[in-house]
Amino acid sequence: DTGVSQDPRHKITKRGQNVTFRCDPISEHNRLYWYRQTLGQGPEFLTYFQNEAQLEKSRLLSDRFSAERPKGSFSTLEIQRTEQGDSAMYLCASSRESFGEQYFGPGTRLTVT
Amino acid sequence: AQTVTQSQPEMSVQEAETVTLSCTYDTSESDYYLFWYKQPPSRQMILVIRQEAYKQQNATENRFSVNFQKAAKSFSLKISDSQLGDAAMYFCAYDGSGYALNFGKGTSLLVTP
Repeated sequence: DTGVSQDPRHKITKRGQNVTFRCDPISEHNRLYWYRQTLGQGPEFLTYFQNEAQLEKSRLLSDRFSAERPKGSFSTLEIQRTEQGDSAMYLCASSRESFGEQYFGPGTRLTVT
Repeated sequence: AQTVTQSQPEMSVQEAETVTLSCTYDTSESDYYLFWYKQPPSRQMILVIRQEAYKQQNATENRFSVNFQKAAKSFSLKISDSQLGDAAMYFCAYDGSGYALNFGKGTSLLVTP
């Protein structure tokens, strides 16, 4: 059990650019979640996958955001045409089951200048 | 929508003493789960303790225990024999969906020698 990993850990980009983050969950976990955390706030749910199927998306996930989980393994979160308001920590988590413990990765800190 | 309120932005405790962090939540559901997560500075979030709403018995994990008052919608965390390593941001979270954790804003715990 190597834990949830995320790459990159930090990303600085100019407004209007596209960025993509990767998350590798714990290998036997079939559920994968994305959250966004801004300074001074708790994480906010964005979306989740069960295997390769994206089953739920939050209203926070605007059309500029897209997430995939091909083959039910790693996941990517892409933000197109980044805005300064997208600056945040993006957290990935995985779990074996619903209502189970979600194991979090270290996060990707995005700064949009 | 469910809301989670942590009314203490910061708390301080001396080593070896006991501290209680407060959390209230709002829901119309009868079946749900509650969690306390710990986020140390620049480190990933880890689960401290989990409580199932249908269980009347309060959950305990070593030095950590909860006081779950379902009717009052209150879920406080007690840390006994506080250690320097307990210093972190503590988040209370509600899960009524089976996938989306709904977090409070967090309580920053300082442990003094």
